[in-house]
Amino acid sequence: GEDVEQSLFLSVREGDSSVINCTYTDSSSTYLYWYKQEPGAGLQLLTYIFSNMDMKQDQRLTVLLNKKDKHLSLRIADTQTGDSAIYFCAESENTGTASKLTFGTGTRLQVTL
Amino acid sequence: NAGVTQTPKFRVLKTGQSMTLLCAQDMNHEYMYWYRQDPGMGLRLIHYSVGEGTTAKGEVPDGYNVSRLKKQNFLLGLESAAPSQTSVYFCASSYSRLAGELFFGEGSRLTVL
Repeated sequence: GEDVEQSLFLSVREGDSSVINCTYTDSSSTYLYWYKQEPGAGLQLLTYIFSNMDMKQDQRLTVLLNKKDKHLSLRIADTQTGDSAIYFCAESENTGTASKLTFGTGTRLQVTL
Repeated sequence: NAGVTQTPKFRVLKTGQSMTLLCAQDMNHEYMYWYRQDPGMGLRLIHYSVGEGTTAKGEVPDGYNVSRLKKQNFLLGLESAAPSQTSVYFCASSYSRLAGELFFGEGSRLTVL
């Protein structure tokens, strides 16, 4: 089955860039996603990238996709304390009836002053 | 603008007791999902539904049952709770089979003693 792996923890100083990495196994995934979970809350979609793209930029967020290595990364520029959260990457499995997401273990981002 | 609402938010059960988690969405979404979140394991899909009256098994369905009698509601039942079912449960919905944007509830924390 699909397997999505992430490192568990990342600490950065406010104002620096954060890079969160993810590896996945399903080469047929059409889309890859980044979700953000703030404390005590559910997950919210942050951004996504179509599998035929190498890069997508959305304000402070840059998503890089290396399909050959099945590696996905999320770069947050000028990281703020409000960016402290758990970040999940996810790949989609499009079955005949539903689009099911397989989530990684999540990376906890801690932003220090 | 409620979105996805889960009840209850917290519950403590004794081994062998039964309970039902209720998920309600007001976005007229066809697809609904139940996930469990455990430390170091990310989110795992328990069951999902592609429309009113339908349910299907996800990655970890054992020990759980679900029902989707009304389009807006998706119920998750534990007939005989076990300590291994101690977890945070998230309900999510989406509007399309191919849409990876899941809208999540705030979670229900269940402890089984």
